[in-house]
Amino acid sequence: EDQVTQSPEALRLQEGESSSLNCSYTVSGLRGLFWYRQDPGKGPEFLFTLYSAGEEKEKERLKATLTKKESFLHITAPKPEDSATYLCAVHAADYGGSQGNLIFGKGTKLSVKP
Amino acid sequence: DAGVIQSPRHEVTEMGQEVTLRCKPISGHDYLFWYRQTMMRGLELLIYFNNNVPIDDSGMPEDRFSAKMPNASFSTLKIQPSEPRDSAVYFCASSLRDRGAMNTEAFFGQGTRLTVV
Repeated sequence: EDQVTQSPEALRLQEGESSSLNCSYTVSGLRGLFWYRQDPGKGPEFLFTLYSAGEEKEKERLKATLTKKESFLHITAPKPEDSATYLCAVHAADYGGSQGNLIFGKGTKLSVKP
Repeated sequence: DAGVIQSPRHEVTEMGQEVTLRCKPISGHDYLFWYRQTMMRGLELLIYFNNNVPIDDSGMPEDRFSAKMPNASFSTLKIQPSEPRDSAVYFCASSLRDRGAMNTEAFFGQGTRLTVV
């Protein structure tokens, strides 16, 4: 069964304290790994797509990396406005040959204190 | 494009009533997803469509739930009859398959917060 597990569930950082969020996955055929940010009361907002092991993407203070079993979202010198829930999702080549199944992890709730 | 549009944003209904949630995907996208989000279970995929055809509805919790996509620009998720345990935020998302047959990112609507009392 395809699974996506994120850790930790919650993370509290001081402003400027760098850290990493983990997303481990078990899928039959990865067709893309996505990172999203979700603010309270809003829909998930797309951050990055990674397709193959070794790939990296950066955006401001965020950097996403991918291996064959997991992805990391590195946050460098975070600011309070980075506080949000970060969700990881995978597209897998799935059952019956259909493609497009998008599976989410439960997310990591990040709080950055000034 | 205005993005994925969902309506209503909030819905409060009594147990036993029929509820219909609506979604307009981004023009040109060929995948449409319906998700339910709760604190306990996170984002759960209910059903997804490809080119208006339902592909996988294994996430639909019960026969009380049904979804349709009559055309490329409109989809509904219906709950009949509704129950208090259906209370959640329901999201619609759409995405596009690119020429390399790799899926691009899904764009989400703002969600419908459903409360069944």
